[in-house]
Amino acid sequence: GQNIDQPTEMTATEGAIVQINCTYQTSGFNGLFWYQQHAGEAPTFLSYNVLDGLEEKGRFSSFLSRSKGYSYLLLKELQMKDSASYLCAVSRSNYQLIWGAGTKLIIKP
Amino acid sequence: EAEVAQSPRYKITEKSQAVAFWCDPISGHATLYWYRQILGQGPELLVQFQDESVVDDSQLPKDRFSAERLKGVDSTLKIQPAELGDSAMYLCASSGFRDYGYTFGSGTRLTVV
Repeated sequence: GQNIDQPTEMTATEGAIVQINCTYQTSGFNGLFWYQQHAGEAPTFLSYNVLDGLEEKGRFSSFLSRSKGYSYLLLKELQMKDSASYLCAVSRSNYQLIWGAGTKLIIKP
Repeated sequence: EAEVAQSPRYKITEKSQAVAFWCDPISGHATLYWYRQILGQGPELLVQFQDESVVDDSQLPKDRFSAERLKGVDSTLKIQPAELGDSAMYLCASSGFRDYGYTFGSGTRLTVV
């Protein structure tokens, strides 16, 4: 079967660091994506990992371990505007994305 | 920056009525996707087009939903008749040849009353 798991909700403090985990089991793997989705809006692209390791982009970093079926999104220096849902998605061999349910991140002052 | 256009932004309809959504993908993007997203869940693929052909509509409730992309450019998703359980965000996305990732439109928030 195909399955993507991520925590339903996380809470963090403004200025702090938070790590959102994602584990997956899919048939075929062509990369893993993280998307950010603010309430009532469409998802927007954050990061893409196809090889093992860490990809850094400003305050956001994403890590992938293909052998463990595991990824995380790391958000540093949290700002109130980072309050959103974060969606993990895996690209199958046919480039179709399989989506997790998303992690709602709540930032407190 | 190129965008995926969707309309309407919001739609309220009564159950048993027909409703239609429109999507215009980024110019040159051959692949177009329609997703449904229920609050608190990830997007669920309804239909995938490659140019004007349907590649995957295995999750499309074909008794009430239909989708077309006649000229391989813009696309329409229709629901007839709408049911209360169809209330959701309907997202359109497009991608180019072997693009990694999709670009989403702003979505249509459908409320069935």
